[in-house]
Formats: sequence, C-alpha cells, structure tokens
Amino acid sequence: NAGVMQNPRHLVRRRGQEARLRCSPMKGHSHVYWYRQLPEEGLKFMVYLQKENIIDESGMPKERFSAEFPKEGPSILRIQQVVRGDSAAYFCASWLVTGVSQNEQFFGPGTRLTVL
Amino acid sequence: QQQVKQSPQSLIVQKGGISIINCAYENTAFDYFPWYQQFPGKGPALLIAIRPDVSEKKEGRFTISFNKSAKQFSLHIMDSQPGDSATYFCAARGRRGTYKYIFGTGTRLKVLA
Repeated sequence: NAGVMQNPRHLVRRRGQEARLRCSPMKGHSHVYWYRQLPEEGLKFMVYLQKENIIDESGMPKERFSAEFPKEGPSILRIQQVVRGDSAAYFCASWLVTGVSQNEQFFGPGTRLTVL
Repeated sequence: QQQVKQSPQSLIVQKGGISIINCAYENTAFDYFPWYQQFPGKGPALLIAIRPDVSEKKEGRFTISFNKSAKQFSLHIMDSQPGDSATYFCAARGRRGTYKYIFGTGTRLKVLA
C-alpha cells in the first residue's frame, strides 16, 4: 500500500506565477489535510477536505490560496500570484475516517516551494 | 484558544539519557494528543498518541504523560540514541466533527554519541 504521495517535491516559481501542489492520499483515504511549514517553525493547519467538499478552511489565507479534492484524482493546493513569503514546505496528510476516531493522519514527504 | 505551547525549543542529551519535551494546551475541546517525529527533508511521522482518559501511555522507549487538570502532556524518550536526533512536534486534535490538528512549534533534539 503506497503512502501519501506529493508532487512535485521541489517547485521554484517567480513572483506573480502560479503554484500547483498535488497530493495523492493513501488508498482508501477520503480525507486530506494541507499544512504549511515555514523554516524552523511548526506546521500550520491550512485546510481540511473530503472528496468534493471543503470541511474546514479556517487556516487558508483569504486571497490567492485555494484547495480542492475532486471525486477523481489528487487533491490540489493552488497558490496564485505567489510572493516570496509563500516560500515554505507544504505537507498534505490523509486519513481514513470511519466511525471510530482512533485513526491517524499519514503525512506525505512535502513540496518545498521556493519563490524567487 | 487554539494554541499548543511546546518547550523547550531545542534539547541536547547524552546518549543513554532521558529526553523530555513538554506541551500545554488551553482548549478543552481537544481529545486526541499525538507526537510526531520529523527528520530533515521528510514529512512528520506519528510516534505515539494519547487520549485524555488515560494518564500515561508507553510504547518501547517512548512514553506520553498526560495531566488533564493541568492541560499538559509530555513526551519522554528513555535511553536516548543518536538516531533519535530529529524535530519533535506535539499536536492536539479537536473532537468529532472538527478533527482539526493544532501543532506545537517543535523541539529540535540532538542526542550526542
């Protein structure tokens, strides 16, 4: 069973360009979290999605950032008109939500975004 | 308040020693408290987790102590090894229906050989 996959692993963009980060959850997982990690800092919650639905986007910046998790295909975190402050590692995590809340999230390896 | 405060920021321990990392939370709506280990360039990986209905959980060399009344929990790494050198994050997760994780700021542990 493959783990959570993220691509690209490294992404370089110039200011004003768009960044698209992809996350393929573990097989059978229908819920995905996105986190941002700045250098030397902890993980900041951004958004929590299930397929075709945003459950909690309270951590998403109001502008330029959007996320989706379509019925088919990976979850996408999209950053429009990137700025240098968007440079960070972006992690997604997936989990299997069942009736028992013992389940844990599993993290992908992250996408390291550098904005020049 | 949805903060989780973690200390210390960094920790140096001799091989064979005990590493202790502490976390405190404010929101009583949290009901699940995991610890993650992260190596440079990698994603965090679950180490051990606890629910507030127990005061201690042990898995191998790793122990979580939980003090519900004080709203504090800590990670103890017994017989610390150089391979344990990593960044450790505590986290707290909201109850059913929210499932939002709040992370501490991390502790960089270095175990000297």
